[in-house]
Amino acid sequence: KQEVTQIPAALSVPEGENLVLNCSFTDSAIYNLQWFRQDPGKGLTSLLLIQSSQREQTSGRLNASLDKSSGRSTLYIAASQPGDSATYLCAAANYGGSQGNLIFGKGTKLSVKP
Amino acid sequence: NAGVTQTPKFRVLKTGQSMTLLCAQDMNHEYMYWYRQDPGMGLRLIHYSVGEGTTAKGEVPDGYNVSRLKKQNFLLGLESAAPSQTSVYFCASSTRPSGTGELFFGEGSRLTVL
Repeated sequence: KQEVTQIPAALSVPEGENLVLNCSFTDSAIYNLQWFRQDPGKGLTSLLLIQSSQREQTSGRLNASLDKSSGRSTLYIAASQPGDSATYLCAAANYGGSQGNLIFGKGTKLSVKP
Repeated sequence: NAGVTQTPKFRVLKTGQSMTLLCAQDMNHEYMYWYRQDPGMGLRLIHYSVGEGTTAKGEVPDGYNVSRLKKQNFLLGLESAAPSQTSVYFCASSTRPSGTGELFFGEGSRLTVL
């Protein structure tokens, strides 16, 4: 059974710092790996989706990488800003079932201090 | 730009009461999902639908029922609420199975069962 782990559970950095959020998964037979952002009291917003055949995806200051062999994905945030403060969740999509099976990590709560 | 709308946003129930959460999407998406989010547990899939008139069980379906009579609406019902169902419920929709495409989430419905 796929398990997705995100460490650390919380991270605090000063504004302007580059940072990396980690995501690990136990079953490397994934369809894709997805990163989401969740603001307090809000729903999830999709940030990046990396297909299993890809190594990375970029969107603005965000770059997500995928290493299936080691069961790891990282989300790199460049030049962090207070507006980046949120909880970041990763989710691994496994094959099987008519709707795919998306397993979420518990998230890393990021705080960017001005 | 409504996207995915959930009603109500907050509700307090007594044990044994029933209620229905409504999810409405205006993006003509085929796939719709109900998740629950609990502290320390991550998001878990309750039920999902791959199209109008269809429903299927997810990871934690017990105690819940769903219906998708119209393509744009996905209802989640609790027939006899229990304190263990205290949670934040999220609805999501997509054009493809959740493991293969982008998911769009509502802002959540916070349910407390006393």
